[in-house]
Amino acid sequence: DVVLTQSPLSLPVTLGQPASISCTSTQGLVFRTGDTWLSWYHQRPGQSPRRLIYDVSKRDSGVPDRFSGSGSGTDFTLKISRVEAEDVGVYYCMQHTHWPHTFGQGTKLEI
Amino acid sequence: EVPLVESGGGLVQPGGSLRLSCVASGFSFSGSWMNWVRQAPGKGLEWVANIKPDGSERSHVDNVKGRFTVSRDNAKNSLYLQMNSLTVEDTAVYYCAAWGPENSNYWGLGALVSVSS
Repeated sequence: DVVLTQSPLSLPVTLGQPASISCTSTQGLVFRTGDTWLSWYHQRPGQSPRRLIYDVSKRDSGVPDRFSGSGSGTDFTLKISRVEAEDVGVYYCMQHTHWPHTFGQGTKLEI
Repeated sequence: EVPLVESGGGLVQPGGSLRLSCVASGFSFSGSWMNWVRQAPGKGLEWVANIKPDGSERSHVDNVKGRFTVSRDNAKNSLYLQMNSLTVEDTAVYYCAAWGPENSNYWGLGALVSVSS
């Protein structure tokens, strides 16, 4: 199975400051079609996950542009340009290039 | 309006069975890959199973193979997860999630499954 390793696992941040989360895969995530199916999810306490980024760098509808995704091959990054209070929670990367689909362990962002 | 609503969770003894259901509304269910994702108490997310839009292909994570079966009924906009031989390790909130057309993505509120004697 593909293992996704996130770092850091805990991310204390200051409001208005940038934040960055890394996701490293044990296998390349490029599908035979050339697509890279790496997504980022945010889960607030007591809520369902919400997808923020898909296909490495595409923002979902309604996601603020302070969120951005980048990377290729086995190394990916989620960046928040200026953290706001509503950004607290746990962030997960997820791949669905390979079976079974897998998630990273999660990174807890705290203000 | 919540696009996905799960039901069927509850408390069951080890070795027992449960069937989860998920009803979709407001998007193209028949055009969506449908998934079950679970989250054990205080833990991260684990993908459990998915099924192709037409139901012709399905896949399950290894630790539920032979015990869980995902299915769907497009006429009823419904997704199911039949869970047999449950163990305490299956205790989790089970989310129904859709990977829809035009890169849409929807999640339900989750159904709690507790396996305990």
